[in-house]
Amino acid sequence: DAGVIQSPRHEVTEMGQEVTLRCKPISGHDYLFWYRQTMMRGLELLIYFNNNVPIDDSGMPEDRFSAKMPNASFSTLKIQPSEPRDSAVYFCASSLWDRVYEQYFGPGTRLTVT
Amino acid sequence: QQQVKQSPQSLIVQKGGISIINCAYENTAFDYFPWYQQFPGKGPALLIAIRPDVSEKKEGRFTISFNKSAKQFSLHIMDSQPGDSATYFCAASRRTGANSKLTFGKGITLSVRP
Repeated sequence: DAGVIQSPRHEVTEMGQEVTLRCKPISGHDYLFWYRQTMMRGLELLIYFNNNVPIDDSGMPEDRFSAKMPNASFSTLKIQPSEPRDSAVYFCASSLWDRVYEQYFGPGTRLTVT
Repeated sequence: QQQVKQSPQSLIVQKGGISIINCAYENTAFDYFPWYQQFPGKGPALLIAIRPDVSEKKEGRFTISFNKSAKQFSLHIMDSQPGDSATYFCAASRRTGANSKLTFGKGITLSVRP
């Protein structure tokens, strides 16, 4: 397996624009997690899905953020409108249902909002 | 409320020395305690994990020590090498069940001097 795949790897956009981050989890994994990493706040869990169903979105900063998982092999994280404070590295991770402690992370998307 | 706390915040060790990173948790419902390693530009990757019914687990130069009564666990890196220079995160989770997710510490940066 190629591991967790994220695209794009880098995104530079202007404030107010819509940003869509994409993730393909490892085939057969039941859980999918979206994280945000910054120097100030560390690694934050934004939202996670179990079998394509959102379980906990309490980490989503505000209504500008939304996430979907239309099928087992694809998820998106959307920011609309984007703001400079959204600049961070966004990671997607996946795991099996009985090994949540063993998450496989993608390479991340570095987002810069100017 | 930070449920998993790491110390120290950063660590510098000479090559060949022992690196020790400590972690404390609050939620007694946690039943798996992994350590993740992250190199610059990469996503975190599972390094080693321990269950609370085990007091110590060793994999190569990496050892986790667990103290259930104190709600603390630590990572020991023996014979530290410059290639071990990375950010280390402790984490805690429920292995399975509803609301299973990883709670990460803030991470510490380890630098191993040649």
